[in-house]
Amino acid sequence: QQQVKQSPQSLIVQKGGISIINCAYENTAFDYFPWYQQFPGKGPALLIAIRPDVSEKKEGRFTISFNKSAKQFSLHIMDSQPGDSATYFCAASPGGGADGLTFGKGTHLIIQP
Amino acid sequence: DAGITQSPRHKVTETGTPVTLRCHQTENHRYMYWYRQDPGHGLRLIHYSYGVKDTDKGEVSDGYSVSRSKTEDFLLTLESATSSQTSVYFCAISELNSYEQYFGPGTRLTVT
Repeated sequence: QQQVKQSPQSLIVQKGGISIINCAYENTAFDYFPWYQQFPGKGPALLIAIRPDVSEKKEGRFTISFNKSAKQFSLHIMDSQPGDSATYFCAASPGGGADGLTFGKGTHLIIQP
Repeated sequence: DAGITQSPRHKVTETGTPVTLRCHQTENHRYMYWYRQDPGHGLRLIHYSYGVKDTDKGEVSDGYSVSRSKTEDFLLTLESATSSQTSVYFCAISELNSYEQYFGPGTRLTVT
């Protein structure tokens, strides 16, 4: 049973464009939703995260949009740059986060110059 | 990588042999986790620890055991490695009362 569904699997965006990656979850006990960025041969790096008490969080060019009623959240990368080319994972965790993260399957993002 | 080291970084072993992977942290964080990453599956939780000698199972714990005798070290053992355990293994840490998890550089394990 896949508790966090991520789409698309791969995405190609032109430099300067907006990259959008979507995730949907099933477990209503989830209350923490991070996004990780991973470059080849490296460990995942925490990019941005949101709790369900807000509908949007922005950090620089990265924005999370959260829709609690639809059980969906998304990552928007504004003014996408070639250096943003990486694999992105959404994840979710229930109360407190100590029990570990449930990850989506990842999106391979390519930003074309 | 947030003061996290994993050893070895690469290992090739034969089916049926025991393997131990080590995660070492210098952050004094309470929580430690082991995940495996496979193409098309994202990362999946194997085991986690919420303190010295306190561990629990994750989503894909069959065939794995863990131990934590010191705050800074979390060991993952494959008692008898199988080809299905060929994967990249990541350790992560998290502080008490924090949701944020930080990942190590990973160990690529190949079981032949």
